[in-house]
Amino acid sequence: GQQVMQIPQYQHVQEGEDFTTYCNSSTTLSNIQWYKQRPGGHPVFLIQLVKSGEVKKQKRLTFQFGEAKKNSSLHITATQTTDVGTYFCAGSNFGNEKLTFGTGTRLTIIP
Amino acid sequence: DVKVTQSSRYLVKRTGEKVFLECVQDMDHENMFWYRQDPGLGLRLIYFSYDVKMKEKGDIPEGYSVSREKKERFSLILESASTNQTSMYLCASSLRAGGTWSNEQFFGPGTRLTVL
Repeated sequence: GQQVMQIPQYQHVQEGEDFTTYCNSSTTLSNIQWYKQRPGGHPVFLIQLVKSGEVKKQKRLTFQFGEAKKNSSLHITATQTTDVGTYFCAGSNFGNEKLTFGTGTRLTIIP
Repeated sequence: DVKVTQSSRYLVKRTGEKVFLECVQDMDHENMFWYRQDPGLGLRLIYFSYDVKMKEKGDIPEGYSVSREKKERFSLILESASTNQTSMYLCASSLRAGGTWSNEQFFGPGTRLTVL
């Protein structure tokens, strides 16, 4: 079945440093979504990418979808303590309403 | 705002007990999902329902069953709980996309189940 891998599993950064998490799928995806889960919370939707090579920005967050629609990345510029949490990518195949979640990247910030 | 609620935040059960986890959403979503979340493994899909009385197995359905008698309610059943089912269980719902992509999922707060 479809597998979605994410690296790194953990990332510790100093406040103000940048952070990137990478997502790779074993199959071509129709779309990819990103979620954030705060400590003790539940996953919350951030964004969806649909087009090959698509880049979207939300303030300090930049999301990319690869040309082959098999990989994606999330980059945070100048991290803040509010960015702490686990970031998940989740992909789906054409005509399929189920999502396959990546293993997640847990971000901790050193003040 | 979409609201997804789960019947319990914390639950402790004994091996062999039958366990019911309830999930209710108030936004008339067609799709509902049950996941379990374990450290290092991310979210793994147990079962999915795209309509009342309809269900599909996810990636790890063994040891679980589900029930969807009403559109707003999706129940996860552990017929005979085992210690390896100790986990965080998350329910989610989404609108049916009906196209080539899926819609965003809205999650409940989760139920942390411990099986002794």
